[in-house]
Amino acid sequence: ETVLTQSPGTLSLSPGERATLSCRASQSVTSNYLAWYQQRPGQAPRLLIYGASTRVTGIPDRFSGSGSGTDFTLTISRLEPEDFAVYYCQQYRSSPQVFGQGTKLEI
Amino acid sequence: QVQLVQSGAEVRKPGASVRVSCKPSGYSLSDTYVHWVRQAPGQGLEWMGWIGSKSGDTKYAQKFVGRIAMTRDTSITTFYMELTRLTSDDTAMYYCARSSFCDVWGQGTLVTVSS
Repeated sequence: ETVLTQSPGTLSLSPGERATLSCRASQSVTSNYLAWYQQRPGQAPRLLIYGASTRVTGIPDRFSGSGSGTDFTLTISRLEPEDFAVYYCQQYRSSPQVFGQGTKLEI
Repeated sequence: QVQLVQSGAEVRKPGASVRVSCKPSGYSLSDTYVHWVRQAPGQGLEWMGWIGSKSGDTKYAQKFVGRIAMTRDTSITTFYMELTRLTSDDTAMYYCARSSFCDVWGQGTLVTVSS
């Protein structure tokens, strides 16, 4: 079973700053079947990125995903107030399709 | 607009079972997956398993094997997740989501297990 470890656990930044979130897999995520989700308080998660770097239609271009193999990154270039939330990575190459434990992005 | 509409909140006693439904709207049933994910209060996301919408094939996370069943009713295009032998640790928000990478999510169903 692949284990996904996200870091940092909490990231404290200000609007306008750049955020870099990491997701490391215990084994290679083949074909880069890695997704990123945003979850705001009281809401269901929302898909941001799939295939490690493909942004979902309608997601602002300040969100970008990169990486391959075992190391993946979600970057938010200029934080907006609505970006402060919890972010999860997930591998969907094979079952169990585990999630990382999440990174809380706070002001 | 593509949506997944879930059934309402449930309260159960320990040892009981619960069934949560998930009904797609805005898209036709096709050869994809429906996943179930849960989130305990203040915790992260936990993948529970998937069901193939056409085949009915299922795959469950090991920790739930033996007390979970994912089914579908193709006549009314509704998916179900049943969890048995509930304990307080099963208190959580339960979500259904579409496709291999969960691009559409239901609104969530809160299941509370309490004596």
